[in-house]
Amino acid sequence: AQTVTQSQPEMSVQEAETVTLSCTYDTSENNYYLFWYKQPPSRQMILVIRQEAYKQQNATENRFSVNFQKAAKSFSLKISDSQLGDTAMYFCALISGGTSYGKLTFGQGTILTVHP
Amino acid sequence: DSGVTQTPKHLITATGQRVTLRCSPRSGDLSVYWYQQSLDQGLQFLIQYYNGEERAKGNILERFSAQQFPDLHSELNLSSLELGDSALYFCASRPGAQDTQYFGPGTRLTVL
Repeated sequence: AQTVTQSQPEMSVQEAETVTLSCTYDTSENNYYLFWYKQPPSRQMILVIRQEAYKQQNATENRFSVNFQKAAKSFSLKISDSQLGDTAMYFCALISGGTSYGKLTFGQGTILTVHP
Repeated sequence: DSGVTQTPKHLITATGQRVTLRCSPRSGDLSVYWYQQSLDQGLQFLIQYYNGEERAKGNILERFSAQQFPDLHSELNLSSLELGDSALYFCASRPGAQDTQYFGPGTRLTVL
């Protein structure tokens, strides 16, 4: 079984500052993928960033970057220069095993509020 | 816009009724996944289809069923509805050779 845990139910940050959202996971597989999805008030699920477990280099997408610590099974998301539009629920998710199936296992989510 | 479409956007029905949710994947995507998002259970995987065949099942109730048609659109059928079935139902599709899933806008189901 695979599990994903987000220990921060809510976070807040001032506009233009940096915030880090935490995520830990557990899987017995060697081949897996990790994701952060954003769910704004519109409820749409939007992919923010993905990380392949076999790659040591941390993924980066513009203002979003991850800190992937494989041995510690930790996958945190850093948002730099926070913007009001970043206000959303953020979900950490895991796919492990063969990607032919690839069901996503989600964490409980972290509500991020960006204040002006 | 992810390219995945879901209809209807909202659905309000009564207990005991049956509803059908529809999903059209991104052009060329063979895999379709269904997820349920509820306040008490969070986001949970229900079922996956690949090119018309069921590939994996998650926490899907026996009252729920799904299928994928030759044109690759998928339908999720929910029957004997209960109050606890009220949730947001997402469909996602995945390109064959990749791992990333792209989500539709969801269908909000309210059971009264």
